[in-house]
Amino acid sequence: TQLLEQSPQFLSIQEGENLTVYCNSSSVFSSLQWYRQEPGEGPVLLVTVVTGGEVKKLKRLTFQFGDARKDSSLHITAAQPGDTGLYLCAGYNFNKFYFGSGTKLNVKP
Amino acid sequence: KAGVTQTPRYLIKTRGQQVTLSCSPISGHRSVSWYQQTPGQGLQFLFEYFSETQRNKGNFPGRFSGRQFSNSRSEMNVSTLELGDSALYLCASSFVEYTGELFFGEGSRLTVL
Repeated sequence: TQLLEQSPQFLSIQEGENLTVYCNSSSVFSSLQWYRQEPGEGPVLLVTVVTGGEVKKLKRLTFQFGDARKDSSLHITAAQPGDTGLYLCAGYNFNKFYFGSGTKLNVKP
Repeated sequence: KAGVTQTPRYLIKTRGQQVTLSCSPISGHRSVSWYQQTPGQGLQFLFEYFSETQRNKGNFPGRFSGRQFSNSRSEMNVSTLELGDSALYLCASSFVEYTGELFFGEGSRLTVL
């Protein structure tokens, strides 16, 4: 079983703060995705990282894929209430997806 | 480009009944997968279909089944419903197999009474 562990599970911060969410595994993945899900909706793809050491920026969000392609991080700068949601990482190998348990982020105004 | 469409969005059933959920993938996507999401267990993989064939299956009892049609539309069925089957059922379609990107529908919220 290729497990992905996310930390922290819950995060409640004030608007304007920075935060980092981690996604760790002992398995190597060919790619890794990050999704955000809002209550009552399906997850929405934020980014896909493929190359070890890859860094991608999406406005205030920075995603990094570990050199060994086993872990990833999501950093949000100056969080806003609109960033509130469940953040899920998912590793992909051989036509199968392995989802982390998620990080529930609440950004208070 | 239309997204993934799931119907119905909400439904209420009683124990012992069966339910069928439908999913229309993004045009051109041949892979459709299903997930069960509950607060306690998170996102659990049910099964994946590719070109009408079940390619992968998660650890769910045989009461959970699915199929895919030639137009890539998919259905999943749950028979003999139990209270624990109450969940958000998500369908996702995928086209780019190498990088693996899933496009989810909004889900079908099933409540079993």
